Amino acid sequence: EDQVTQSPEALRLQEGESSSLNCSYTVSGLRGLFWYRQDPGKGPEFLFTLYSAGEEKEKERLKATLTKKESFLHITAPKPEDSATYLCAVRVTQGGSEKLVFGKGTKLTVNP
Amino acid sequence: DTEVTQTPKHLVMGMTNKKSLKCEQHLGHNAMYWYKQKAKKPPELMFVYSYEKLSINESVPSRFSPECPNSSLLNLHLHALQPEDSALYLCASSQAWRSVQPQHFGDGTRLSIL
Repeated sequence: EDQVTQSPEALRLQEGESSSLNCSYTVSGLRGLFWYRQDPGKGPEFLFTLYSAGEEKEKERLKATLTKKESFLHITAPKPEDSATYLCAVRVTQGGSEKLVFGKGTKLTVNP
Repeated sequence: DTEVTQTPKHLVMGMTNKKSLKCEQHLGHNAMYWYKQKAKKPPELMFVYSYEKLSINESVPSRFSPECPNSSLLNLHLHALQPEDSALYLCASSQAWRSVQPQHFGDGTRLSIL
């Protein structure tokens, strides 16, 4: 069964305190891993797509990396506005159809 | 500006009502999706439309009826819903269903069933 596990469930950081979020996956037929940010009451906002092990993507204070079994979202010197839930999703092929399988997310709180 | 627009933002309805959720995308995409998201849970796929044809129905109860009038519009017709159907309903679109391009989401309709 395809599974996506995110850790930690929640993370509190002080402004400027760098850290990483983890997304581990057990899937067959991986066709891309996606990171989204979701603010309360809003839809997920697309951040990054990673396709193959060793790939890295950066955007402002965020950097996403991918290995064969997991992805990390590194947050460098976070600010309070980075507070959100970060969702990891993998695109899988199941029985001839394709879908996104989401992790449960990591809720990040950055205190000033 | 959100490129996937959903209306209404909030909807309260009784179990005997009929209502519709609407979604419009301005990205020129050919695949559109409905997701259901309960509080503190990830989105769960409900339906996939590819080139205006229903491609996936994730065993969703018939009280939810999707419709895709054209490649830019997606509706979700609701009838005789249950309290457990209260959730955030998200619409998304992508270049194509079988493409590895990302899905882009709207901000959802917050649905409450009385």
